[in-house]
Amino acid sequence: QQQVKQSPQSLIVQKGGIPIINCAYENTAFDYFPWYQQFPGKGPALLIAIRPDVSEKKEGRFTISFNKSAKQFSLHIMDSQPGDSATYFCAASIYSNYQLIWGAGTKLIIKP
Amino acid sequence: SQTIHQWPATLVQPVGSPLSLECTVEGTSNPNLYWYRQAAGRGLQLLFYSVGIGQISSEVPQNLSASRPQDRQFILSSKKLLLSDSGFYLCAWGFWREQYFGPGTRLTVT
Repeated sequence: QQQVKQSPQSLIVQKGGIPIINCAYENTAFDYFPWYQQFPGKGPALLIAIRPDVSEKKEGRFTISFNKSAKQFSLHIMDSQPGDSATYFCAASIYSNYQLIWGAGTKLIIKP
Repeated sequence: SQTIHQWPATLVQPVGSPLSLECTVEGTSNPNLYWYRQAAGRGLQLLFYSVGIGQISSEVPQNLSASRPQDRQFILSSKKLLLSDSGFYLCAWGFWREQYFGPGTRLTVT
């Protein structure tokens, strides 16, 4: 119940395409869902986060879609660029808990 | 603004040797602090977290330990390294639910 399942494990998209990374959870107590971006040899960086009271959040070319009834959330990258090639992690947490429950990660490659 | 430092950036140590990795945070007070390990091509494994000086919670029982001697300093230690301790060690500081990661230490145990 504490797991966050992330798919796909890897993804290759042509430049300009819209990669979509999906995450699913079981624990309905989760109420904060961030996405992190990690480049090789670097620490992950917070990209965008959403709470379950909204269905969508956009920051630049990155959009989180949230489906509370299905217990799923996804990351979309509009007009993807080769510089977006990285590993993306979704996560979830419960109010008053200082820990994040992490997905396994998706290695994204954007082909020029 | 807040900054998080980790050192060393890379480390090669023989099996059985001790380990000390240090992490410091600037620009914030009383942060939550975290140590993660990431195996090559894998996800993030939480090792320890701390909500205050001297307060350490361990998530993985193994030959690693952590200490927080000062508010913004977090140290990861081992008395005797194992081959399986190789990996990318990441320190993070947190405010509420957000976590911000340092540059990491690449540890190779030979």
